[in-house]
Parts: sequence; C-alpha cells; structure tokens
Amino acid sequence: LAKTTQPISMDSYEGQEVNITCSHNNIATNDYITWYQQFPSQGPRFIIQGYKTKVTNEVASLFIPADRKSSTLSLPRVSLSDTAVYYCLVGASNNAGNMLTFGGGTRLMVKP
Amino acid sequence: DVKVTQSSRYLVKRTGEKVFLECVQDMDHENMFWYRQDPGLGLRLIYFSYDVKMKEKGDIPEGYSVSREKKERFSLILESASTNQTSMYLCASSLPKISYEQYFGPGTRLTVT
Repeated sequence: LAKTTQPISMDSYEGQEVNITCSHNNIATNDYITWYQQFPSQGPRFIIQGYKTKVTNEVASLFIPADRKSSTLSLPRVSLSDTAVYYCLVGASNNAGNMLTFGGGTRLMVKP
Repeated sequence: DVKVTQSSRYLVKRTGEKVFLECVQDMDHENMFWYRQDPGLGLRLIYFSYDVKMKEKGDIPEGYSVSREKKERFSLILESASTNQTSMYLCASSLPKISYEQYFGPGTRLTVT
C-alpha cells in the first residue's frame, strides 16, 4: 500500500504561488496521483490528476519527478477562497478498492 | 452535473442501535465508496463497491457492512453502533477505474451517544 505524507498545514498570502508536496515512497507502477480540495462541511472535490512529469489545468499544476516518489501541487496566485484542506491520493488503475490511500491532508490558510 | 446525495446531514444514535447510511448517485457510476473522516486522520476507506452486489473491504471495515442492491444506491450499515463510530461519513462514486475522479456527497455527521 502506497502511504502518503503531506505537511499538516501551510500559510500563504493572497497573490502568492503555493506549492504543497506529497511524499509517496512506495508508489506502485500502475498508481495514479490525484489531489482533492475540501472546504468545511463539504465533501472533497477533484483538482488534478497525473501519472508522471507535469500536468496543468485551469486550477493547478501537478509536478511529478521521474522516480514518482513525491508530487507537488502548485496553486498559482492563491486567493482567500483557496483556504481549504488539500488531500493527496495515490491509487491503482484497477478495481482493487483497498489500493486507495489518502494522505492526512494539508490545511492551507490564505491570508489577506 | 454529477450528484451524490446522502440521506442525512446529521444523525444522532444510541450505542447498540443499528444504523443505516444511504447514498445515491445519479451518474450511472459503477464504483461507489464509503469513507470516514476524523480530525487528524484524513479520509479512510471503509468499503468499496465496483458493481451491484459486489464489495471490497477498505482500510477500516471492522464494525461496518455494506449493501448494493441497485447500481445507484450504496448503503453503509453499522450493525451495533458504538461511540468510537462517531464521525463524518462520506460517500463517493466514480467511473470504473480507481484512477478516475471521485465525486463526493456532502457527508453525514453521525454522533453515537
């Protein structure tokens, strides 16, 4: 099982770029890396997913080095509304549900 | 718009009661999941279902069972609720690969007294 480790919390200011790193030393060959965002009293929401190198969408970028033992979620120019908990998820592309692992989450606080 | 709904936002039950948490999704997704979320522990997978009547244990299945009689509905059952099952319960659904995006419901905050 690929266990993940993330910082417990991070602080930032509006307009800054935020990078949150997730460590997953035991990632398996067919595992994907997915990031979710969660606001209070809501379920998590998908942000981005990748397998290797770099993935970018309208919300974030995901950087994955060649050894895939870590990944970095990059949020460009954060705003107050980006204050949330961010989860790193490592999972297999088959239907073995017990291969899913959520990290403990990183609580991002964006200050004015 | 994908919708995953859960039967209750808040639930209070007594120790020893049988508790049913219901989850319904409207996207014809094959996969459905039950998680619990506790402070400092993040989300932990309880059970997973990839088809009607099919289920797989997650990381913490003890004390729980599940039922999936219809594709759109996935129920979590606490046969005899205990205080250590007080938690936020989240249901999710996705297309048939684990790598696909999971859509979460709003959660049910269960308190067992």
